[in-house]
Amino acid sequence: DTEVTQTPKHLVMGMTNKKSLKCEQHMGHRAMYWYKQKAKKPPELMFVYSYEKLSINESVPSRFSPECPNSSLLNLHLHALQPEDSALYLCASSQVGLIWIQETQYFGPGTRLLVL
Amino acid sequence: QKEVEQNSGPLSVPEGAIASLNCTYSDRGSQSFFWYRQYSGKSPELIMFIYSNGDKEDGRFTAQLNKASQYVSLLIRDSQPSDSATYLCAVNIRNYGGATNKLIFGTGTLLAVQP
Repeated sequence: DTEVTQTPKHLVMGMTNKKSLKCEQHMGHRAMYWYKQKAKKPPELMFVYSYEKLSINESVPSRFSPECPNSSLLNLHLHALQPEDSALYLCASSQVGLIWIQETQYFGPGTRLLVL
Repeated sequence: QKEVEQNSGPLSVPEGAIASLNCTYSDRGSQSFFWYRQYSGKSPELIMFIYSNGDKEDGRFTAQLNKASQYVSLLIRDSQPSDSATYLCAVNIRNYGGATNKLIFGTGTLLAVQP
């Protein structure tokens, strides 16, 4: 089973709202990722958590706040977003501790976010 | 800047033909390579990964890796209209000092299989 789930599937929010995206996996993976994908562009890495600790932050604005409450869950808290933040937000997970070249990321279905 | 390059296409092939998708990368130290398929409006779906020089086959898909020339390709045999999608090439970059690595994606090639 290589399933990563994400909720909600769609989200519309105003620039003053606070919302959260949720990601869950039960594959025993210890690395989880947030990506942002704009139309006709490749996924762009935002954050990486490894063993529930933030491992990579790709200089993402502070209006995006990640959280990893446990090894199966990953949240992305959103606050005061801009219309240009509208995109498909993808979560992924992978094993850690293998020979590193074998780490394979599996993506969830994504949350399509529209900021008005 | 580590880069992964793909022809954006569209690559148009007739049904039943072989589709050949190519990718080049700039970091000679790259060790593992992934092909993802992404249908319009959907998330990337892993097709194959490869980390040894040569060919790796999985059903109608064959990944080819040539580290000396720094290219990786994906062949799709007996192409079907359902194969029409964007194919993303990704390279695993070692995150020295960190516990995980990261994928660098190419811009993707749009494949259109004509019935």
